[in-house]
Amino acid sequence: AQSVTQPDIHITVSEGASLELRCNYSYGATPYLFWYVQSPGQGLQLLLKYFSGDTLVQGIKGFEAEFKRSQSSFNLRKPSVHWSDAAEYFCAVGSMNYGGSQGNLIFGKGTKLSVKP
Amino acid sequence: DTGVSQDPRHKITKRGQNVTFRCDPISEHNRLYWYRQTLGQGPEFLTYFQNEAQLEKSRLLSDRFSAERPKGSFSTLEIQRTEQGDSAMYLCASSSKGANEKLFFGSGTQLSVL
Repeated sequence: AQSVTQPDIHITVSEGASLELRCNYSYGATPYLFWYVQSPGQGLQLLLKYFSGDTLVQGIKGFEAEFKRSQSSFNLRKPSVHWSDAAEYFCAVGSMNYGGSQGNLIFGKGTKLSVKP
Repeated sequence: DTGVSQDPRHKITKRGQNVTFRCDPISEHNRLYWYRQTLGQGPEFLTYFQNEAQLEKSRLLSDRFSAERPKGSFSTLEIQRTEQGDSAMYLCASSSKGANEKLFFGSGTQLSVL
């Protein structure tokens, strides 16, 4: 079955500390991988995506993620967390679907990030 | 670019009533998606339109749910005979057709069925 697992429901880090959010996927086809962030009252915003090529992907707001096929993982990292990064983070997987759409995504349950001053 | 707009932001209804939500995508986007998100879960795909054609529907979408995009612009999602299990955030997203598709999500409509 196709699925995305985010093992950590809630993570707290101190401002300025490094961050790694874990994501593991199970997907039959070659996956497209995404990280989204959701702040209260805001829509989901795309942080970064992996389609092919370089397995280290740079995104917005200083985030990066590394695709590791052998581990079926796509972990999100940031070297120094800011208080404004507090939000919920979702990993998602998809592939090319009917009509060429890439938007039928399977999301994980999310990891809530809290940032201590 | 005014973003994806959803209306209403909140809807409270009684079990058995019908509700309708509206989504206005980014104007030049020809693809439109509906997702549902319940508390503590990630969004779940419901359906997808390319222009006015509904090309894909999830098995999650029961017969009580219907979505339309009559002129390839705004879309509506109707739930008939609502049940308490329908309580969720309903998210709309739009995108442009292309090799590097990027979804833009609205803020959602929060439905509470009493």
